[in-house]
Amino acid sequence: GAGVSQSPSNKVTEKGKDVELRCDPISGHTALYWYRQSLGQGLEFLIYFQGNSAPDKSGLPSDRFSAERTGGSVSTLTIQRTQQEDSAVYLCASSLFSSSYNEQFFGPGTRLTVL
Amino acid sequence: DQQVKQNSPSLSVQEGRISILNCDYTNSMFDYFLWYKKYPAEGPTFLISISSIKDKNEDGRFTVFLNKSAKHLSLHIVPSQPGDSAVYFCAATYHGSGNTGKLIFGQGTTLQVKP
Repeated sequence: GAGVSQSPSNKVTEKGKDVELRCDPISGHTALYWYRQSLGQGLEFLIYFQGNSAPDKSGLPSDRFSAERTGGSVSTLTIQRTQQEDSAVYLCASSLFSSSYNEQFFGPGTRLTVL
Repeated sequence: DQQVKQNSPSLSVQEGRISILNCDYTNSMFDYFLWYKKYPAEGPTFLISISSIKDKNEDGRFTVFLNKSAKHLSLHIVPSQPGDSAVYFCAATYHGSGNTGKLIFGQGTTLQVKP
């Protein structure tokens, strides 16, 4: 497929467990973004990757959240010791370059439910 | 601190009429604004954008107006069609030093176009 893909599409976990969310960006896109949408809220920026480095992690809500990107392609977002407030839809987006003039293409998201 | 606000959670219009979606922002540094459209279980898709050097941008049935003095923008859809029924997100960004292209989103407005 030519678009951004994310897996899993849905994840239900118990409070305290760790989860990993995966994003496959569009091939050749150097910029990758993670956002999340909590119930009734807009999309909230989490972290930005340029290649494999993350120059902007300012949106990560706590040190339980981390992310990495390998080979300038796939990215994983890891949430350790999940809490109920982590329940949200996690969206990944990629763009050709990091300028906002370049359209960000979004994946369908991973719906995370923490019981 | 909600820098981008969409104060109307929902809007219902009749097919063929105009839909007007509104968005307010507080950060004077924002210089580029975007509208994204989201269908259920899909990621947001880019719709239209406007630079702060303009006050209007038109693309087919979609027009975005920017009033910088009021820190307000609006999206007009004319004529509205049932397929336009979706959640619309307003987003903003700026091109200052170190810009990463990250987008600041509003909470979204759910548009329903009735046949």
